[in-house]
Amino acid sequence: DVVMTQSPLSLPVTLGQPASISCRSSHSLVHSDGNTYLNWFLQRPGQAPRRLISKVSNRDSGVPDRFSGSGSGTDFTLKISRVEAEDVGVYYCMQGTHWPLAFGGGTKVEIK
Amino acid sequence: QVQLVQSGAEVKKPGASVKVSCKASGYTFTTYGISWVRQAPGQGLEWMGWISAYNGNTNYAQRFQGRVTMTTDTSTKMAYMELRSLRSDDTAVYFCTRGGPYSSGCDYWGQGTLVTVSS
Repeated sequence: DVVMTQSPLSLPVTLGQPASISCRSSHSLVHSDGNTYLNWFLQRPGQAPRRLISKVSNRDSGVPDRFSGSGSGTDFTLKISRVEAEDVGVYYCMQGTHWPLAFGGGTKVEIK
Repeated sequence: QVQLVQSGAEVKKPGASVKVSCKASGYTFTTYGISWVRQAPGQGLEWMGWISAYNGNTNYAQRFQGRVTMTTDTSTKMAYMELRSLRSDDTAVYFCTRGGPYSSGCDYWGQGTLVTVSS
């Protein structure tokens, strides 16, 4: 099974400053169709998760352009160019390439 | 707009079963599968399995094999997740989400259903 490992576990950030979250997979997430099915989600306190990014770098509708995803193979990164108060919550990566699907352990972003 | 609306909170005793429902609207139901994801208190997200709303094919996480059954009813656009032989560590919020594998990657989520297992 693919294991997804996120770091850091906790990320205190200053408003207006950038933030970066790493996600590593134990196997390459490149599918035989050539796509890489790596998604990023944000779960705000008390809410259901919301998908932010699919296929490594494709922002979902309504997601601010301060969020960006990058990476390939087994190493992926979510970046927030300038953190805003509404970005607080837990971020998860999830691979959808191999069965069983798997989430990373989560990264909690909070304001310093 | 796409919506997934789940059934209400449940309290069950150890050894019992629970069946959570998920009502889909705003899209062609049979075009996407449904994944079920759970979250124990204070913990991360755990993928439980997926069902195709097109043909009923399923793929379950190994740790739930034999204890979980996922079904859909295309006439009512409903998805169901039944978990049997409940234990206290099954206490969690259970989410349904559209899609899961490949391009469909969990793009919409239900509001979650809290299942509490307690004697």
